[in-house]
Amino acid sequence: QVQLQESGPGLVKPSQTLSLTCTVSGGSISSGGYYWSWIRQHPGKGLEWIGYIYYSGSTYYNPSLKSRVTISVDTSKNQFSLKLSSVTAADTAVYYCARVSGITIFGVVTGWFDPWGQGTLVTVSS
Amino acid sequence: AIRMTQSPSSFSASTGDRVTITCRASQGISSYLAWYQQKPGKAPKLLIYAASTLQSGVPSRFSGSGSGTDFTLTISCLQSEDFATYYCQQYYSYPSFGGGTKVEIK
Repeated sequence: QVQLQESGPGLVKPSQTLSLTCTVSGGSISSGGYYWSWIRQHPGKGLEWIGYIYYSGSTYYNPSLKSRVTISVDTSKNQFSLKLSSVTAADTAVYYCARVSGITIFGVVTGWFDPWGQGTLVTVSS
Repeated sequence: AIRMTQSPSSFSASTGDRVTITCRASQGISSYLAWYQQKPGKAPKLLIYAASTLQSGVPSRFSGSGSGTDFTLTISCLQSEDFATYYCQQYYSYPSFGGGTKVEIK
């Protein structure tokens, strides 16, 4: 079955760029049919969708984060990545990657998330 | 953005209880709703999508219902492994999650 694993630095300095990678195993990103997403969870808080990408490179971002987010895909490595720029302490969170069973409603790509990676804690601090 | 509100935010229950968690959307979302279970230190796990479709491998004691703005997740007979936090998520528009409902041991 498909498994996802996040990797990247656990500590990022304020104003710098957070970079994470999700490696997919047990299935190919380029086979299509699914989007691939990043979601975060602030400590002790709820879940926030960040964005998702299709194997073709089409991306969709949360409007509240759009100006700082870039999601990219590397089908040769079966990976997709997140970059979040100009981070502050408010970006401290557990970051999850997940597969999206996507549908299109009124031109908006959306869907539910399954499976998820185990998550990685990123702390923004000097 | 569509706001999802869950109630209660937490409650205590006993093994064997029938429990119901409510999720309300700020606008109609048809049946475009999913439910997740999250245990401490773990990633969320999909339980239900399309408001009432049980994800493969999820025990049948879990069920979902609702349409439009009001939804419920029911656990018919609470087991020890069900003590966790539950989240609803709409996918009528860009995804958004409810604030969570923590089910604690009484």
